[in-house]
Amino acid sequence: GAVVSQHPSRVICKSGTSVKIECRSLDFQATTMFWYRQFPKQSLMLMATSNEGSKATYEQGVEKDKFLINHASLTLSTLTVTSAHPEDSSFYICSAASGGPDTDTQYFGPGTRLTVL
Amino acid sequence: GDSVTQMEGPVTLSEEAFLTINCTYTATGYPSLFWYVQYPGEGLQLLLKATKADDKGSNKGFEATYRKETTSFHLEKGSVQVSDSAVYFCALFSTGGFKTIFGAGTRLFVKA
Repeated sequence: GAVVSQHPSRVICKSGTSVKIECRSLDFQATTMFWYRQFPKQSLMLMATSNEGSKATYEQGVEKDKFLINHASLTLSTLTVTSAHPEDSSFYICSAASGGPDTDTQYFGPGTRLTVL
Repeated sequence: GDSVTQMEGPVTLSEEAFLTINCTYTATGYPSLFWYVQYPGEGLQLLLKATKADDKGSNKGFEATYRKETTSFHLEKGSVQVSDSAVYFCALFSTGGFKTIFGAGTRLFVKA
């Protein structure tokens, strides 16, 4: 149980285009989803927290107009990188928490590697 | 604010060696503590967790004990395998901010 998928796993795009990454909880309802960015050989940097049906809460320094997050249902959250530039190239990882007694435990997706040319 | 400090890597061990990866934390209240593992090119997988003082989390031969007096949650395994080569992240769940705080990660290489 507690499986989270991400799509696509890898994407290459041209500078200036937008890219959408999907995060789905496959066998549980995720009241909260998190989006992280990970640079090579570094830890995870939390970008934003999203709750179903409400606006995402962004961490300091993360541009909400550039990284659009939508949490439309209890099983789906999307991250859209708008007008992507080479410096946005990174490994993006989502996670989901189910709430209830395990609200402190996150289940992670496999990650999406974004390369902006 | 809340924080997690874990030993720097990389750690290189021979197969069947004993593993310890140190982790200490700073937090207000009583956070839940976690170890996550990341294999190359993949996301993170929950390895084990502990939710209160003196709890021991264990999974796949790994274990860690929540030590409130020393604010530590060291990861141990008695006999590592080549397949254990990965990056290990210590983390705490911050009840104040409702988010997980990660350590920097420790890369483990196990050679045959």
